[in-house]
Amino acid sequence: DTGVSQNPRHKITKRGQNVTFRCDPISEHNRLYWYRQTLGQGPEFLTYFQNEAQLEKSRLLSDRFSAERPKGSFSTLEIQRTEQGDSAMYLCASSPQSEKLFFGSGTQLSVL
Amino acid sequence: AQTVTQSQPEMSVQEAETVTLSCTYDTSESNYYLFWYKQPPSRQMILVIRQEAYKQQNATENRFSVNFQKAAKSFSLKISDSQLGDTAMYFCAFINYGGSQGNLIFGKGTKLSVKP
Repeated sequence: DTGVSQNPRHKITKRGQNVTFRCDPISEHNRLYWYRQTLGQGPEFLTYFQNEAQLEKSRLLSDRFSAERPKGSFSTLEIQRTEQGDSAMYLCASSPQSEKLFFGSGTQLSVL
Repeated sequence: AQTVTQSQPEMSVQEAETVTLSCTYDTSESNYYLFWYKQPPSRQMILVIRQEAYKQQNATENRFSVNFQKAAKSFSLKISDSQLGDTAMYFCAFINYGGSQGNLIFGKGTKLSVKP
């Protein structure tokens, strides 16, 4: 069990650029979640996958956001045409078909 | 709407003392799980303790215990013999059992400082 891995740890980009984050869940965990956390707030749910199927998306996930989980393994979260309001920590978590979520260390996005 | 409220933005405690963090929540569901997560400066979210709503017995994990009052929708965390390493943000959260299990809902957190 190597834990949930997220890359990169930090990303600085200019407004209007596209960014992509990667999450590698714990192997054999079939559920994968994305959350966003801004400074001083708790994490907010964005979306989750059961295997390769995206089962739920929050209203927070605008059209500029897209998440994929090909083959039910790693997942990517892409943000197109980034805005300063997208600056946040993006957290990934995985779970073995249970309520217990294991979180990664997150990707800190700064949009200048 | 399902919500989690943590009314204490910041708290401090002396090393070796006991501290209690408050949490209330609102849900219309009857089956759910409650959690306390710890987030140290490294930002890694670490599960501290978990409680199944159908269990009346309060969960305990070493120095950490909860006071779960289902009727009052209250779920407080007690940390005994506080240690410097307990300094972190603490988040209360719940997830419904079955149905939309993706929706782990967090409170805004309590910043705990343990002073030597």
